[in-house]
Parts: sequence; structure tokens; C-alpha cells
Amino acid sequence: EVQLVESGGDLVQPGGSLRLSCAASGFSSSTHWMNWVRQAPGKGLEWVAGLNQDGSEKYYVDSVKGRFTISRDNTKNSLYLQMNSLRVEDTAVYYCARAYLGAVDVWGQGTMVTVSS
Amino acid sequence: DIVMTQSPLSLPVTPGEPASISCRSSQSLLDSNGYNCLSWHLQKPGQSPQLLIYLGSNRASGVPDRFSGSGSGTDFTLKISRVEAEDVGVYYCMQGLQTPVTFGQGTRLEIK
Repeated sequence: EVQLVESGGDLVQPGGSLRLSCAASGFSSSTHWMNWVRQAPGKGLEWVAGLNQDGSEKYYVDSVKGRFTISRDNTKNSLYLQMNSLRVEDTAVYYCARAYLGAVDVWGQGTMVTVSS
Repeated sequence: DIVMTQSPLSLPVTPGEPASISCRSSQSLLDSNGYNCLSWHLQKPGQSPQLLIYLGSNRASGVPDRFSGSGSGTDFTLKISRVEAEDVGVYYCMQGLQTPVTFGQGTRLEIK
């Protein structure tokens, strides 16, 4: 079964850091672009970051540029999101998402990040 | 950035009746191969989103055939031929033509 499982979400103070992980199973993540998408409480979906198969191309939404870093370890079939200088407005459920033909065809269950003092 | 605009934002539907959601993009979503990089996703209450339609009109694996997608360029439509109770949730269109990837605001479908 193709599956994405996120972990690492937590309560953190403004200005703090957190690293999210996403473990892929049932497929080789090295063959797909991968993304992080977030959803603030009661709000819609917002794409955060994406990277290509070998990790050489990385893209970010403007609001996280310079603060978040997306990376992958294909030997571990895993995706990561390093989040620094966290803000209250970064509070959201973060989804790991597999890209396919211009869409997302597999979504993880999400991990909650709460930024609050 | 490509702006995605959905309508309506709320959609009450009687079971067995059809439903339609519109999605418009601020730029054409046609890629260099002639494919529309537009997908539809459903987020049921308390769940992660799930893919319904990709490349504008292709149903994802396991998606019932009462769901269909149409349109090209900047205007797209998701249709449900006969709404069932399990179709309740928020529907999002998404463009994957260029970064940043962007989503519509979401359309909440509810059963009357």
C-alpha cells in the first residue's frame, strides 16, 4: 500500500525551530517530486515547498523563503521540512504530498504544528 | 502567482441531485504538451484531502464515475451526476503548472 506518514509536529514558541519528517512506503520516493502542503485551523490548503527527484531543485512559497528548508534522503525513502524562525501564522497541519502529473496523488495524514507562547 | 477562484463557496445539495463546481485560473493551465495541469481534491470531514481528478478530466483510481471533470485553459468544472451522502466535504481545485502551486478557496458541499 502506498503511504506517507508525517511526524515531528509539536508546540513551539515563536522564533523556535522544528523539523518535520515524512516516511514513504509502498513506493520509491526517488521517482517523484515531493511537496509539503499546510492547512491552518479552519482554513484552506496552502502549498509550502516542493523538490524534485534528486533534491537539486527546491521551491518555496514566499512567506517561508529563508526560514524553511525542504530536503530528502532517498536512501531512507524520506522527506523533511526544517522550519526555523517560526511565527504564529505558521500554525497548521502540515501534509506530505506526492506529486504526479501536475497533481498531488498521495497525501499523508498530517502532523500538527502549533506556534504559540 | 496563478490565482484560483472557485464558485460557489457553499453548495447545499439534495441526495440524488447533480452538483457542479466552477474553478477559474488567472492564467492558462495548458502545459507545453497540451495537458491542463488542473486537479480536483476532496477533503472529507476530519480527513486528509484525496485526489479525485487530474489533468483536468482524468478520474483517479477508485473514484466513482459519478464524478467528472471538464474544461480547458482557464475555466474548469467538477460535476457530480448524483450526489450521495458520502460526498460531503470541501472540494479544492489545484494548479500544478508552475510554482507556487496554488489552490482554490474550497467549496463546501453539504446535504440538504
